[in-house]
Amino acid sequence: NAGVTQTPKFHILKIGQSMTLQCTQDMNHNYMYWYRQDPGMGLKLIYYSVGAGITDKGEVPNGYNVSRSTTEDFPLRLELAAPSQTSVYFCASRWAGVDYEQYFGPGTRLTVT
Amino acid sequence: QQQVKQSPQSLIVQKGGIPIINCAYENTAFDYFPWYQQFPGKGPALLIAIRPDVSEKKEGRFTISFNKSAKQFSLHIMDSQPGDSATYFCAASISGSGNTGKLIFGQGTTLQVKP
Repeated sequence: NAGVTQTPKFHILKIGQSMTLQCTQDMNHNYMYWYRQDPGMGLKLIYYSVGAGITDKGEVPNGYNVSRSTTEDFPLRLELAAPSQTSVYFCASRWAGVDYEQYFGPGTRLTVT
Repeated sequence: QQQVKQSPQSLIVQKGGIPIINCAYENTAFDYFPWYQQFPGKGPALLIAIRPDVSEKKEGRFTISFNKSAKQFSLHIMDSQPGDSATYFCAASISGSGNTGKLIFGQGTTLQVKP
């Protein structure tokens, strides 16, 4: 199993442009999450999904959108990129139920300039 | 009330030392407290987790101590090794019906273990 994969690994985006960060998991996990990681700030939840067709906002959803058309894929869309969206983005997934760990992808380092 | 506060921000110890990382929370509904370890350029990975019905949990050289009344928990790394150099995150979650598995993370602690 590849686990959770994310593409691209790195990207530089110009202010005002849009892009989609891809996330795929092959563990048949119901739940998927998008986080952003900024220095000294920990990980902040952007959006999450408890199954195909079901998504909800996390702590910092502004400027982002998601969709979940399949169990495997959970893309994150950035519209009208701003410098404040410069960050490292992590996708994670887990089984439904109690106390199951979240499995994280390797991350996407995004710079908006 | 949804915050988890973690300290210190960074920590340097000699090989064999016992680094201690502390976390505090306010929301008494939290009932699952995992610790994640992150190496440079990688995603976080679960290290150890505890529920508030126990005061201590050990897995190898890693120990979580939990103080429910003080709403604090800490990670101890016994006999630390240079390979333990990483960033450590505490987190908290609410389980039960309607559980979405959302984690609230602390700010992270960067640990350096010197040879």
